[in-house]
Amino acid sequence: EVQLVESGGALVQPGGSLRLSCAASAFTFSSYTMHWVRQAPGKGLEWVSYINTIGTNIFYADSVKGRFTISRDNAKNSLFLQINSLRDDDTAVYYCARGLKSFDYWGQGTLVTVSA
Amino acid sequence: QSALTQPGSVSGSPGQSITISCTGTSSDVGGYNFVSWYQQHPGRAPKLIIYDVSDRPSGISYRFSGSKSGNTASLTISGLQAEDEADYYCTSYTSSSTWVFGGGTKVTVL
Repeated sequence: EVQLVESGGALVQPGGSLRLSCAASAFTFSSYTMHWVRQAPGKGLEWVSYINTIGTNIFYADSVKGRFTISRDNAKNSLFLQINSLRDDDTAVYYCARGLKSFDYWGQGTLVTVSA
Repeated sequence: QSALTQPGSVSGSPGQSITISCTGTSSDVGGYNFVSWYQQHPGRAPKLIIYDVSDRPSGISYRFSGSKSGNTASLTISGLQAEDEADYYCTSYTSSSTWVFGGGTKVTVL
């Protein structure tokens, strides 16, 4: 069965950095485009970023542009999100999701908490 | 990008049908047939229930159906069951090559 497992979430001070990972299994990772989606505590879903199969086509939400960097390592079946200049409003569960125009499989998420 | 507009809550009795609307603009919902819907139970990851406006993934009940008219997409749940109580989110691809979610709708089964 398709599995996506996120890791790397932590408690971080404002202005800090973090690298999130998403390990994929049971499907041909290199054939699928991927996304990061986040959800602040008690709030709705927010799309964060997209990467195509070979990492040459990348898009970001305006709220994270210039601070977040999405990347992937197809040899290691892994997706990454480098988060810099963290702000209080970046506090959220971060999900990786597989898909092109929709998100057909999701991980269980990793919690990023930004607090002094 | 502005979030798509969904009602905050919708309720219905078991066996009834309910419809959740999702209103956007010609730059997202109205411009593409790439509207999808997700069900999220408390503490769980979202689950895809409708993609490309009206298609159901394998394993999703026929009781879930989607449609679109102009800039508004809709999700209908027929034969409402207790297990359908959850949060529901729509999303659409946009003309900026990004995706935008709705604010979410809490469905309560009375």
